[in-house]
Amino acid sequence: NAGVTQTPKFRVLKTGQSMTLLCAQDMNHEYMYWYRQDPGMGLRLIHYSVGEGTTAKGEVPDGYNVSRLKKQNFLLGLESAAPSQTSVYFCASSYGRSPYEQYFGPGTRLTVT
Amino acid sequence: GENVEQHPSTLSVQEGDSAVIKCTYSDSASNYFPWYKQELGKRPQLIIDIRSNVGEKKDQRIAVTLNKTAKHFSLHITETQPEDSAVYFCAASLSGSARQLTFGSGTQLTVLP
Repeated sequence: NAGVTQTPKFRVLKTGQSMTLLCAQDMNHEYMYWYRQDPGMGLRLIHYSVGEGTTAKGEVPDGYNVSRLKKQNFLLGLESAAPSQTSVYFCASSYGRSPYEQYFGPGTRLTVT
Repeated sequence: GENVEQHPSTLSVQEGDSAVIKCTYSDSASNYFPWYKQELGKRPQLIIDIRSNVGEKKDQRIAVTLNKTAKHFSLHITETQPEDSAVYFCAASLSGSARQLTFGSGTQLTVLP
C-alpha cells in the first residue's frame, strides 16, 4: 500500500505558465482534497471531491481547477501561475464516513517566479 | 464559514514537562475535531481526534478535551520527549460537508533536552 502519493515533489514555474499536480490513492477512498500550506496560515482547502466525477470549491479556489475522472486520482491544475501561488500543496483522502481521518500525501513544493 | 483559532503559535518546554495547545472554533455545528502533527518537511499525520459527543479522549501521553459550550478544545501532551518537537495543527469539521477541515494556524512545539 503506497497510501497517498503526489507528483511532482518540486516544481519551479515562471509567471503565466501552466501545470498539473497529480494525486493518487490506493485505499479506495471516496473523498479527496487539495490544500495549500503557507507559513503561519495552516492548511487551506482549495477544492475537494466526494466521488468520481464530482468536484467542489473549498476556501481558496481562485486560480485553480480540478478533475476527478478516476476514483483513485485527483488532479489540480494551474492555468496561469502567479507568484501568489508559491506554496506547498498537499493532497488528502478519506473514506467519507467514520473513521473520518484524512490521509495526506507527501506534498509538492511549488515556486512561481 | 468555520473559523479556528489556535494558541500559542510557539511553545517551548523542558523534556518531561507537559505541553498544552488550545483552539477555539466559531461554528457550533462542528462535531469532529482532529489534531495533526507535522514534522519538518513531512506530511501532516493524525495523532488524535474527538467527536462532539465525547468530552475527553486519551491515548498514552496525548489527550484532547472538548468544551462544546465554550467552543474550545485542547491538546495535552504529558512527559514530553524531544521527538514530540513538531508543528501541531488543530482542525474542525461539520457533518454533511464532505468533512471539510478548517485548520488552525499551527503551534511550533520545541522540547528542550
